[in-house]
Amino acid sequence: TQLLEQSPQFLSIQEGENLTVYCNSSSVFSSLQWYRQEPGEGPVLLVTVVTGGEVKKLKRLTFQFGDARKDSSLHITAAQPGDTGLYLCAGEDSNYQLIWGAGTKLIIKP
Amino acid sequence: ETGVTQSPTHLIKTRGQQVTLRCSSQSGHNTVSWYQQALGQGPQFIFQYYREEENGRGNFPPRFSGLQFPNYSSELNVNALELDDSALYLCASSVGPDEQFFGPGTRLTVL
Repeated sequence: TQLLEQSPQFLSIQEGENLTVYCNSSSVFSSLQWYRQEPGEGPVLLVTVVTGGEVKKLKRLTFQFGDARKDSSLHITAAQPGDTGLYLCAGEDSNYQLIWGAGTKLIIKP
Repeated sequence: ETGVTQSPTHLIKTRGQQVTLRCSSQSGHNTVSWYQQALGQGPQFIFQYYREEENGRGNFPPRFSGLQFPNYSSELNVNALELDDSALYLCASSVGPDEQFFGPGTRLTVL
């Protein structure tokens, strides 16, 4: 069974600080996706990484896919209250199905 | 372009009852995937429908069943509800294996 472990499960920091969220697995994925979910809404795709070692930037968010395509990280620079939410990673398996992590609940305090 | 919609938004049922949840896919999308998201957890894949045929199933018992209609909308049916079925049920539509777009979900509470 493929599993994705996210850490930390919960993170509460002050506005302006930096943070990193991790997504780890013992399995190889063809791609890995990061989503953000607000209360009462479905997840919204932030980025998809496909190539081992790939780095993608989305404003203050930096996403990295591990060289072996088993792990990924999300780094937020100068966090803002608007970044508050549940961040989920999901790996795509060989059947194009998504395997999800449990999420990191992020709170940015003003 | 209309996004993915789900109905109802909230639902309360009792153990043993049956429930049907509905999903309208985004225009032009032929694939619908259903997920169960328990409180504090990530989504768990239930099954996927592609052009009215089941195209993959997760580790859920047969009392979870589904349909996809010619217009690509979809239903999720759950029989003999159990307390542990309480969760947010998410529907996502896509064009084949491309990016999935999620609806807001149906919050099911089983008492």
